[in-house]
Amino acid sequence: EVQLVESGGGLVKPGGSLRLSCAASGFTFSSYSMNWVRQAPGKGLEWVSSISSSSSYIYYADSVKGRFTISRDNAKNSLYLQMNSLRAEDTAVYYCAREMGVIQNWFDPWGQGTLVTVSS
Amino acid sequence: QSVLTQPPSVSGAPGQRVTISCTGSSSNIGAGYDVHWYQQLPGTAPKLIIYGNSNRPSGVPDRFSGSKSGTSASLAISGLQAEDEADYYCQSYDSSLSVYYVFGTGTKVTVL
Repeated sequence: EVQLVESGGGLVKPGGSLRLSCAASGFTFSSYSMNWVRQAPGKGLEWVSSISSSSSYIYYADSVKGRFTISRDNAKNSLYLQMNSLRAEDTAVYYCAREMGVIQNWFDPWGQGTLVTVSS
Repeated sequence: QSVLTQPPSVSGAPGQRVTISCTGSSSNIGAGYDVHWYQQLPGTAPKLIIYGNSNRPSGVPDRFSGSKSGTSASLAISGLQAEDEADYYCQSYDSSLSVYYVFGTGTKVTVL
C-alpha cells in the first residue's frame, strides 16, 4: 500500500524554526517528485514546494521562498521541509504528496498531514 | 493566493446532479494545462478524484466526471449521495513566475 506519513509539527513562536518529515512506503520513492501543500485552518489548499526525484529541480511558492527549504533522502525514503523565520500566517496543516504524471502533474496520494501552529 | 476561482458552495438533493466550475486564466487553464480535482472529506486529507481533466483513478465512482474548455473546467457529480458531502478543489499548473502549481478556492458540496 502506498503510504505517506508526516511528522514534526507542533507549536512554535514567531521567528522560530521547525523541520517536518514525511516517511514514504509502498512505492519506489526515488522515482517520484514530491511536494508539500498546506492548508490554513478553515481555508483552502496552498502549494508550498516541489522537489524532483534526484533533487535537481526545486521550486517554492513566493510566500515561503527564502525561509523554507525542501529536501529529500532517497536512501531513507524521506522528504523534509525545513521552516525558518516562521510567521503566524504559516499556521496550517502541512501535507506531503507524491507527484504523478509527466508534465502537467497531479498529487496522489497525500499524507494525513501535520499541524504547525505559529503563536507566541 | 488561489488563482483558480470556484463557487464557495453548491447543494443538491440525493440523486440530483451538481456541477462545480473552476475558472482560471491564460497562464494556467487557458494555456492548455490539465486540470485535476480533489475531494476532501471533513477532517481528512485531500483525495484525487479526477486527473488529466477527465480521467478517474481506480476506485472512484463513475458518478464523478470532469471536463475542460477554454479557461475553465468543471466537475460534475451525478446521482448525488450523502457521502459526497465534502470540499472539492481543482488544481492546475501555472506558467507565471510566482507560482508553480495552483489550487482552486474550494467548493463545499452540501447534500440536502
